[in-house]
Amino acid sequence: DTAVSQTPKYLVTQMGNDKSIKCEQNLGHDTMYWYKQDSKKFLKIMFSYNNKELIINETVPNRFSPKSPDKAHLNLHINSLELGDSAVYFCASSPPGGAPYNEQFFGPGTRLTVL
Amino acid sequence: RKEVEQDPGPFNVPEGATVAFNCTYSNSASQSFFWYRQDCRKEPKLLMSVYSSGNEDGRFTAQLNRASQYISLLIRDSKLSDSATYLCVVSFRYSSASKIIFGSGTRLSIRP
Repeated sequence: DTAVSQTPKYLVTQMGNDKSIKCEQNLGHDTMYWYKQDSKKFLKIMFSYNNKELIINETVPNRFSPKSPDKAHLNLHINSLELGDSAVYFCASSPPGGAPYNEQFFGPGTRLTVL
Repeated sequence: RKEVEQDPGPFNVPEGATVAFNCTYSNSASQSFFWYRQDCRKEPKLLMSVYSSGNEDGRFTAQLNRASQYISLLIRDSKLSDSATYLCVVSFRYSSASKIIFGSGTRLSIRP
């Protein structure tokens, strides 16, 4: 029933580790996004894919690599985790027809804590 | 100047009051505007899109002023359940890419 789902919901890991967050949407949307929300609650877009093609790539460290195996999935892999990567990561999707002008549907978020 | 600016609040108003927030944006080529709502430790959810002519959805009214580059949200007869953070969102296209900017949010707290 879940529209946009993310796993895991919580992720606690040590500095220097590599981790992945998975996102899936069952809404039939073409466009998916990754956002980072830091401790000050500022929500910033990181990446966007439209039909498996990267369309938005904001200035993020290249330790972050998105992967879209199909249009229903957009995973985020993070190498060599740093303390500053601690944040809540939200996945979102939007329907076809002029994204990003359409409503975005957000997943529940993944709270990443780097120790 | 930030691309999208909001008063962070918090706005603390009694139930039943009318409250208004503004959001200013710096890029005059901005094309789409939205208000999202985010409850504590939850994901953002669309509250309403903002159209050039202004639009209303129940107790909520959104306005766009392109000349002064701001959007506003008015909440009438506020309810306890309106307590949340309200995020202003602006998007525009440049070259072949798109840009989506979220404001840092305005916290609203409704007291009984």
